[in-house]
Amino acid sequence: NAGVMQNPRHLVRRRGQEARLRCSPMKGHSHVYWYRQLPEEGLKFMVYLQKENIIDESGMPKERFSAEFPKEGPSILRIQQVVRGDSAAYFCASSLSGTEPNYGYTFGSGTRLTVV
Amino acid sequence: GQNIDQPTEMTATEGAIVQINCTYQTSGFNGLFWYQQHAGEAPTFLSYNVLDGLEEKGRFSSFLSRSKGYSYLLLKELQMKDSASYLCAVRTPLVFGKGTRLSVIA
Repeated sequence: NAGVMQNPRHLVRRRGQEARLRCSPMKGHSHVYWYRQLPEEGLKFMVYLQKENIIDESGMPKERFSAEFPKEGPSILRIQQVVRGDSAAYFCASSLSGTEPNYGYTFGSGTRLTVV
Repeated sequence: GQNIDQPTEMTATEGAIVQINCTYQTSGFNGLFWYQQHAGEAPTFLSYNVLDGLEEKGRFSSFLSRSKGYSYLLLKELQMKDSASYLCAVRTPLVFGKGTRLSVIA
């Protein structure tokens, strides 16, 4: 009964390259959330997706960042032309429902992105 | 918008009781969550309060006052393994405070 699976666990990119972070939600969960955590900071909400739909992207930077959750396969967070400031831990979470918050979110182990 | 405040750091002694406070301001409230996060690991769910009052779950209890925009997490019989960050969150999608880093000392 796998939980939320994120890969890779660690990702190193040079400035200007693209970073692709993957997230497979818990079995049966259809709601996916992406968060960014800078060192010594809290979790910052980025985007909320359901299958094939972006529900809330109010936390996503307007440029270089995009997210998708296709009908088949994992959710992808894509960062184009990475800069040093993108270095952070990126966590994905999933939930059974987006409207019954008492279920809570289950988080993956995160992807630690380092831009060199 | 929303604003969530928690103390940045706290220190407590093994075996003691510690209370971590959280105040919030949010448009549209549908519950408050507490999560625990050990360094370098994923956050894990601790508790959820949607009605005023105290919810007890083993050594951990969580309290909510909606009229005051206030919650606290109470940890009893502290153990060294409780050293972690404790995150308060509201709304859907969840918006987190910066977290309180708790250090448990012998």
